Amino acid sequence: AQSVTQLDSQVPVFEEAPVELRCNYSSSVSVYLFWYVQYPNQGLQLLLKYLSGSTLVKGINGFEAEFNKSQTSFHLRKPSVHISDTAEYFCAVSTPPGGGNKLTFGTGTQLKVEL
Amino acid sequence: ETGVTQTPRHLVMGMTNKKSLKCEQHLGHNAMYWYKQSAKKPLELMFVYSLEERVENNSVPSRFSPECPNSSHLFLHLHTLQPEDSALYLCASSQEGTDGYTFGSGTRLTVV
Repeated sequence: AQSVTQLDSQVPVFEEAPVELRCNYSSSVSVYLFWYVQYPNQGLQLLLKYLSGSTLVKGINGFEAEFNKSQTSFHLRKPSVHISDTAEYFCAVSTPPGGGNKLTFGTGTQLKVEL
Repeated sequence: ETGVTQTPRHLVMGMTNKKSLKCEQHLGHNAMYWYKQSAKKPLELMFVYSLEERVENNSVPSRFSPECPNSSHLFLHLHTLQPEDSALYLCASSQEGTDGYTFGSGTRLTVV
């Protein structure tokens, strides 16, 4: 079984400041990792994903994440946030093909960008 | 447009009503999912359909009844709901053997 822990339920940050949203996972097999964003009253939108290869993954809207196998982490970062980045962010994990396709989500981190 | 369309966007129903939520995907995916998202709680996987066959039912009360008539459509039939069933219901689809889901915008359900 796999699980995801998002350590921060809320992260306030000023506009143009850098931000890091933390995600740790637990799994007995190799994993795929994802970050999704949810704007108010919307569904979840894929930001980026790690499947294999380079551990630094770049996504949409200037976000990036780094897969760290030894620390079982997949933290999301952005060097300079904008008001429009205010949303809820979900980390998720799944097992590669052959292990099922089910996504397990973390509890989410609310990012609030202030002027 | 995400490729996964959910209707209605908002629904208010009484506890004795019967209603249905609809999900349609235009991506050629072969797996579809229902999730429940309640305030202050993690996303809860309710049902999984793979190749139109239900493969997972996570102890969901019988007042929720899914239906998958074909690979493009997924329904969630609701009857005699409780106020605690008020939530955002999200549909998603994926292609088995590949990665990630595509989500719809959800149906905001309020049970009064």
